[in-house]
Amino acid sequence: GAVVSQHPSWVICKSGTSVKIECRSLDFQATTMFWYRQFPKQSLMLMATSNEGSKATYEQGVEKDKFLINHASLTLSTLTVTSAHPEDSSFYICSAREGGTSGELFFGEGSRLTVL
Amino acid sequence: KQEVTQIPAALSVPEGENLVLNCSFTDSAIYNLQWFRQDPGKGLTSLLLIQSSQREQTSGRLNASLDKSSGRSTLYIAASQPGDSATYLCAVRRAGNNRKLIWGLGTSLAVNP
Repeated sequence: GAVVSQHPSWVICKSGTSVKIECRSLDFQATTMFWYRQFPKQSLMLMATSNEGSKATYEQGVEKDKFLINHASLTLSTLTVTSAHPEDSSFYICSAREGGTSGELFFGEGSRLTVL
Repeated sequence: KQEVTQIPAALSVPEGENLVLNCSFTDSAIYNLQWFRQDPGKGLTSLLLIQSSQREQTSGRLNASLDKSSGRSTLYIAASQPGDSATYLCAVRRAGNNRKLIWGLGTSLAVNP
């Protein structure tokens, strides 16, 4: 299947700093990418849908000024957690939809964020 | 409103057993259904994707079936191995304009050697 790469896989930062997570589709072009957040032993929560060349669509309750999403190319989307606080500590996962009618989703390896 | 339920929430079996994981959904108007595997602290691996017009998909020891009318999908794992231990997630993609994924909470599988 297609490959989606996330970086970094884990990051520890101080409260108040900003952290950027990258999501790349390595062998296909993704006009749409998705950012999820996952709490321990819970399912994924969709945060936002990232569209290449346009603004992201955020889910209800997700602060767009807090979680900045940029999808500047067909293979790269970034999520920046601004002024991070301990409650932002979580597992963040991106996914990308391969083109065509199948609509199959492929996921990155996830990024574990710990805010001290 | 589409809701996805996975049963059982957890399953522990001895190595070699054939097993079935269940996924049910409340709205039969789906675009497709996808099964994923997630290892602890890792991202998701796509296992099988079933389009709404399909009845089943197979990959190696895995077989997924789809019965839209009854709102069910099953993931069959043949001859289970310890390496199959993971959480298995089912996700349903809505039909229509708003094709969001609706997720189940997953089945945590432990295959014991």
